[in-house]
Amino acid sequence: KNEVEQSPQNLTAQEGEFITINCSYSVGISALHWLQQHPGGGIVSLFMLSSGKKKHGRLIATINIQEKHSSLHITASHPRDSAVYICAVRLGNAGGTSYGKLTFGQGTILTVHP
Amino acid sequence: DTGVSQDPRHKITKRGQNVTFRCDPISEHNRLYWYRQTLGQGPEFLTYFQNEAQLEKSRLLSDRFSAERPKGSFSTLEIQRTEQGDSAMYLCASSPGRPSYEQYFGPGTRLTVT
Repeated sequence: KNEVEQSPQNLTAQEGEFITINCSYSVGISALHWLQQHPGGGIVSLFMLSSGKKKHGRLIATINIQEKHSSLHITASHPRDSAVYICAVRLGNAGGTSYGKLTFGQGTILTVHP
Repeated sequence: DTGVSQDPRHKITKRGQNVTFRCDPISEHNRLYWYRQTLGQGPEFLTYFQNEAQLEKSRLLSDRFSAERPKGSFSTLEIQRTEQGDSAMYLCASSPGRPSYEQYFGPGTRLTVT
C-alpha cells in the first residue's frame, strides 16, 4: 500500500462544476502539498498546509490531521483547470533526517470540458 | 528570481550510453532535490543535497546513478550505461529550507532510452 493515496485517479467534469480530489496518507507528516502538473511536465505548487484550510481564488484545500486526509476543491471549474493534481506529503521532522523530501501520490488527471 | 531551470529539456539516447542532466536552483536556496517520474505515476525521491553535501540517496538510485552539487550551486545527475527502464522525467526542485520548506520545481528533463 502506498503511503499516499489519491482518489479518483481520473476525473471528468463539465465547465462550472464543483470538483473534489481526495488524498489519504498513512505516515506522520509535517506538511501536505497540493501540486499542479500540466502536459510537458512543469509542476507548480498550489498549497502547502499543515492544518485547517487554505483558499486561493477558486481553489480550496483542507486537511484533517487526525484522520490523515486532505481534500482539494475547485469551484466553478474551467477547461484551463485541466491538469494532473498531485498530493505530496513532507514527513515529520523536516529539519531532521527526513530533510524535507516529498512523498507523492500517483496524481489525479482532471479534464474539464466546455 | 528566475526560477529553477533544467537542461536539457529532452534527451533521447541509446541503451548503454551515458547521460548527464543539469539543474540550476533558485539562487540562495540551500536545499536541492532530484525526483524521477515515470508515465502515469507521481514523482519519486532520488536524492537530496544541502549546500554541497549529498545527505540522502534513495534505494532507487543504483550504482549507475551519481549526483553532484559542487560549490552548493548547480547540480548534475549522471546516468551511466542507460537502460530502457531509465526512461522517465527527471525533476529538480529547490527549497530555502527553514522556515518555509516550500519546494520550487524545474520544468524537468524527459529522458527516452531507445
